Amino acid sequence: NAGVTQTPKFRILKIGQSMTLQCAQDMNHNYMYWYRQDPGMGLKLIYYSVGAGITDKGEVPNGYNVSRSTTEDFPLRLELAAPSQTSVYFCASRRDSSYNSPLHFGNGTRLTVT
Amino acid sequence: DQQVKQNSPSLSVQEGRISILNCDYTNSMFDYFLWYKKYPAEGPTFLISISSIKDKNEDGRFTVFLNKSAKHLSLHIVPSQPGDSAVYFCAASSLNAGNNRKLIWGLGTSLAVNP
Repeated sequence: NAGVTQTPKFRILKIGQSMTLQCAQDMNHNYMYWYRQDPGMGLKLIYYSVGAGITDKGEVPNGYNVSRSTTEDFPLRLELAAPSQTSVYFCASRRDSSYNSPLHFGNGTRLTVT
Repeated sequence: DQQVKQNSPSLSVQEGRISILNCDYTNSMFDYFLWYKKYPAEGPTFLISISSIKDKNEDGRFTVFLNKSAKHLSLHIVPSQPGDSAVYFCAASSLNAGNNRKLIWGLGTSLAVNP
């Protein structure tokens, strides 16, 4: 049981390039999330999904896009990368939205935009 | 506007002693609180939680205390072990307008347990 798998682990992008951060979970969770963590800061929600075909914006969605075509996968797309998007990105999933359904996180993707 | 505050960025404790990590919040609509632990180069992992209808929840060496009147919660680790050295995040949850759970995170406290 792999849990939440994120690829790649590290990536360096030039300003203006695009990339997709991959996230897959094998726990059949309906809810999936993308967070970013900047140095010395807490986790900020970028986008989330409550099921296949349904996505919604979080606190900091600008510069990102997501899709959820299957229950398992929730890729995060960066178009026109900017230095402000240098961060560690975490994907997470949970069984449902009940208060006692904790988040399961992947190990993160460290992205540097120069 | 930091709704969940962990005012101590770091804490150092001797092995075998008690570690106390503190968290304050400002929003009285928060009804569920969680602690996550994070090791370097890994994602956060869920540790323990508490509902706002309780004032204490215990799981092995970990106990979370909630003081609603003071809008304060704390995580106690007894006895502390070197493997507990990690960053601990406090998070608070409430229902948003769309009836989805919204989670607000603190900035984390880095705990070092010294042998």
